[in-house]
Amino acid sequence: EDQVTQSPEALRLQEGESSSLNCSYTVSGLRGLFWYRQDPGKGPEFLFTLYSAGEEKEKERLKATLTKKESFLHITAPKPEDSATYLCAVRRDSTLTFGKGTMLLVSP
Amino acid sequence: EAGVAQSPRYKIIEKRQSVAFWCNPISGHATLYWYQQILGQGPKLLIQFQNNGVVDDSQLPKDRFSAERLKGVDSTLKIQPAKLEDSAVYLCASRGTLNTEAFFGQGTRLTVV
Repeated sequence: EDQVTQSPEALRLQEGESSSLNCSYTVSGLRGLFWYRQDPGKGPEFLFTLYSAGEEKEKERLKATLTKKESFLHITAPKPEDSATYLCAVRRDSTLTFGKGTMLLVSP
Repeated sequence: EAGVAQSPRYKIIEKRQSVAFWCNPISGHATLYWYQQILGQGPKLLIQFQNNGVVDDSQLPKDRFSAERLKGVDSTLKIQPAKLEDSAVYLCASRGTLNTEAFFGQGTRLTVV
């Protein structure tokens, strides 16, 4: 059974205080690891897809990395508008399995 | 490009009543998903369609939940009868053949009282 565990469950940062979110996974035949952002009252919004260990992708203040067992979402100098829940998901075949998410709050 | 459309946005019903949700995926997307997201949890897959055929419904509570995707485009998800524990956000997502990622709608927030 595919498993995705995200930590921490919640994270509070000051504006400009960099940090990382963790996503540990167990899946046979990984066909992609996905990061989504979810704002309150909205559906998840796609951020990144990673396919193989060592791969990295960046978008503005976010950088996602992947190893054989986990992925990190690094947030550099966050701003209040980065506050959201960040969801990690793994894909095997065509099915996505999500973690519970990390709720990030960035204070000015 | 228009996104995934869902309706209604909100629904409040009493337990044992029935309810239906509607989803219109992105044009041309063959794969359609319904997810259930309970407050504080990640989305949980209920059912996956490829065109109008079911690919995976292993986590769909079939005694009360049903879904269909006629003509391989729009989809409806029905709950009958609803239970208190069905209170959640129901998310629809679609994915095109050339896409690896799924695109989500805004969701329908269901409250069962």
